[in-house]
Amino acid sequence: QSALTQPASVSGSPGQSITISCTGTSSDVGGYNYVSWYQQHPGKAPKLMIYDVSNRPSGVSNRFSGSKSGNTASLTISGLQAEDEADYYCSSYTSSSNVVFGGGTKLTVL
Amino acid sequence: QVQLQESGPGLVKPSETLSLTCAVSGYSISSGYYWGWIRQPPGKGLEWIGSIYHSGSTYYNPSLKSRVTISVDTSKNQFSLKLSSVTAADTAVYYCARHGYSGYDWAGYWGQGTLVTVSS
Repeated sequence: QSALTQPASVSGSPGQSITISCTGTSSDVGGYNYVSWYQQHPGKAPKLMIYDVSNRPSGVSNRFSGSKSGNTASLTISGLQAEDEADYYCSSYTSSSNVVFGGGTKLTVL
Repeated sequence: QVQLQESGPGLVKPSETLSLTCAVSGYSISSGYYWGWIRQPPGKGLEWIGSIYHSGSTYYNPSLKSRVTISVDTSKNQFSLKLSSVTAADTAVYYCARHGYSGYDWAGYWGQGTLVTVSS
């Protein structure tokens, strides 16, 4: 069982917006602004999409945005595109100086 | 452009020690940043194994701490992972990565990953 809880799957049509949630506790997500999000296509290494809750690395589309409220972080993808279909993982720093991941969410673009 | 490349045996016997090396190009490890290892069992999610600062300070996942050693060799611009007493549960794709300059909570550069199978 993963330390952070994500929905197993989400789906949306091209052009729509979707949000993936990531729920933890006050010892991880809720306690630090150190939540990050990764995109992983099959057979590929993960790609950093968001770090420190809402920061986008250079080169990542501004269609991707992150936020946090309490113990739940969220990744929103607007203007959904076929290339966005992938697995998405959240992660957080913890009070134990650990890094924990969510179980992953499979995004399907209909 | 920073590039990372994992290398090591693809097959390890149960109870033995898994050893992997990550060669870094395009950036000198001694200049800074945190460097780490993350793994992914086939068909499953990601698990942080541990990280090392360029100075040599290490940080390990508590669930693996008793079996993990991460070290850095700045002269070769590489860092390494050793995981002892492996079992089938340690079968996974192992990724090396570069974290941030001031912490290891996120990883911006990843190697392509290497599959390590634990089997007799």
